[in-house]
Amino acid sequence: DAMVIQNPRYQVTQFGKPVTLSCSQTLNHNVMYWYQQKSSQAPKLLFHYYDKDFNNEADTPDNFQSRRPNTSFCFLDIRSPGLGDAAMYLCATSRHSGTGGYGYTFGSGTRLTVV
Amino acid sequence: GENVEQHPSTLSVQEGDSAVIKCTYSDSASNYFPWYKQELGKRPQLIIDIRSNVGEKKDQRIAVTLNKTAKHFSLHITETQPEDSAVYFCAAFRTASKLTFGTGTRLQVTL
Repeated sequence: DAMVIQNPRYQVTQFGKPVTLSCSQTLNHNVMYWYQQKSSQAPKLLFHYYDKDFNNEADTPDNFQSRRPNTSFCFLDIRSPGLGDAAMYLCATSRHSGTGGYGYTFGSGTRLTVV
Repeated sequence: GENVEQHPSTLSVQEGDSAVIKCTYSDSASNYFPWYKQELGKRPQLIIDIRSNVGEKKDQRIAVTLNKTAKHFSLHITETQPEDSAVYFCAAFRTASKLTFGTGTRLQVTL
């Protein structure tokens, strides 16, 4: 089945130790997003790739970086995780054309714990 | 940028009753409005969506209405069941932009 896959499902990292979360998709969607979601809050967009073009949100800390080596994969790098970065990280994809976007699909998420 | 307000933040209904969640958006260029259901510890799941060229859409017990003039859209769930209990998010999207979420509504369906 076409889907959005996030690995790992749970990640524990040490304070200050770099960590990478991964996302892959078989939907051939041209846009990939990374969201941070803390308990009971709405998902907060960190950045997205529109094809190869990277779009960072103005309030995304420099501590968060992303890479999209090809259409199918996208990575979230947290250079120095702090306790406040513990959250669920959701990858999402969508298909966009000049007439609009559709097919927003979320991965299962990676729950990050910082110790 | 787009701003989406969602009300109420919590909603408790009895099984079999209807539930209504309302959202307003600020960007008149927004043209796609999905609704997501999120159960505890799980991903948001798309339950219904509507585009700006449509005023109403229905899928079994779920319906969404859109008033472009008022920049207002609503989710209606009829004959609620305990498994409808979850957090619901509305969202708004504009072409070549991003999806902006509302703040969420925690729906509790009681027996």
